[in-house]
Amino acid sequence: NAGVTQTPKFQVLKTGQSMTLQCAQDMNHNSMYWYRQDPGMGLRLIYYSASEGTTDKGEVPNGYNVSRLNKREFSLRLESAAPSQTSVYFCASSDRGWDKNIQYFGAGTRLSVL
Amino acid sequence: DQQVKQNSPSLSVQEGRISILNCDYTNSMFDYFLWYKKYPAEGPTFLISISSIKDKNEDGRFTVFLNKSAKHLSLHIVPSQPGDSAVYFCAARAAGNKLTFGGGTRVLVKP
Repeated sequence: NAGVTQTPKFQVLKTGQSMTLQCAQDMNHNSMYWYRQDPGMGLRLIYYSASEGTTDKGEVPNGYNVSRLNKREFSLRLESAAPSQTSVYFCASSDRGWDKNIQYFGAGTRLSVL
Repeated sequence: DQQVKQNSPSLSVQEGRISILNCDYTNSMFDYFLWYKKYPAEGPTFLISISSIKDKNEDGRFTVFLNKSAKHLSLHIVPSQPGDSAVYFCAARAAGNKLTFGGGTRVLVKP
């Protein structure tokens, strides 16, 4: 019963390097999300995908791009990493519908940009 | 401008006593509220929720109260157990099922 799986769990980058964070869910959910968590800031939405084939910006999208590869997978790309992107990144998924508000989260990717 | 605020960054409580976590919001368009629990090195897990048309929802030891006029919600944990030690986030839903999270409250339950 995997739920939401994120890879990698840890990553260290140098400023200017690029990388892609992977996320996959096996719950047949329509919607997927990327958040970042910083101390005292809670979780802030970077991008989300309401359904396969659509993506939209969240609260803090600058410096990131996303791809909804299929219904299961939603990736987050940092084209040119900056120290301000040091954070813990969480992927989440949810079903659609007024009564289906619960988002299920992966275990996170801890990223350090030096 | 934080639309969802948890003003207490930490809370310490004795095992068996009540834990009360508070959350304030500013956006009157929020129509659904959730509490998540997070252990270190894990993702947040859903705990309990409440619709804006209700003022109370209970699930075992956990009760969430909503005061719409005050734009305030609280989570009560009774009795508190050592396994409840974690960070708790409140979240509010706006259009498109997007959640806005508070900054979190770290709870420590002492045996």
